[in-house]
Amino acid sequence: NAGVTQTPKFRILKIGQSMTLQCTQDMNHNYMYWYRQDPGMGLKLIYYSVGAGITDKGEVPNGYNVSRSTTEDFPLRLELAAPSQTSVYFCASSAQPGHTVRGNTIYFGEGSWLTVV
Amino acid sequence: TQLLEQSPQFLSIQEGENLTVYCNSSSVFSSLQWYRQEPGEGPVLLVTVVTGGEVKKLKRLTFQFGDARKDSSLHITAAQPGDTGLYLCAGVGAGGTSYGKLTFGQGTILTVHP
Repeated sequence: NAGVTQTPKFRILKIGQSMTLQCTQDMNHNYMYWYRQDPGMGLKLIYYSVGAGITDKGEVPNGYNVSRSTTEDFPLRLELAAPSQTSVYFCASSAQPGHTVRGNTIYFGEGSWLTVV
Repeated sequence: TQLLEQSPQFLSIQEGENLTVYCNSSSVFSSLQWYRQEPGEGPVLLVTVVTGGEVKKLKRLTFQFGDARKDSSLHITAAQPGDTGLYLCAGVGAGGTSYGKLTFGQGTILTVHP
């Protein structure tokens, strides 16, 4: 059981380039999330999805796009990369929304380190 | 926007000492989660507290949710080098546009020296 898998692990982009961070989960979770983690800032929600074909903006969506064509996959696209997007990106999934019942668990991927120069 | 203030940001202690990490907010959360994150890995859930005043114990770790569900603490007794890592609290929004969304604190980097 692989859980949540993200690729690539590391990437260096030049300003203005575009790229896609891939995320896939094999737990048949409906809910998937993309977070970014900056030093000393905790994690901030970029986009989330409650099921295939449904996505919504989180706290910091500008400069990013997502799609959810299947339950398993939730890619994050960076268009026109900027230095402010240098960060560690985490994909996550859960069986239920993060607000619900005791014991609900959100599973995180191992992270993707992105540097924009 | 809901904010969670986590303190201290850094903790460096000797093996065997006790420590407490705090998360405070002016907002009410439906539940609060604590995560631990190792370098190069994603956060891993330690515990979820749901009821105001709730106390949960996980071996040497004690988690408490404030009566008003606005704050939480993590207490570690007799810390060990294996406890070293980044500890994150995350509040789950209770209503309005924050409903169901996780708000993370800034994290506490704990280093336990042998």
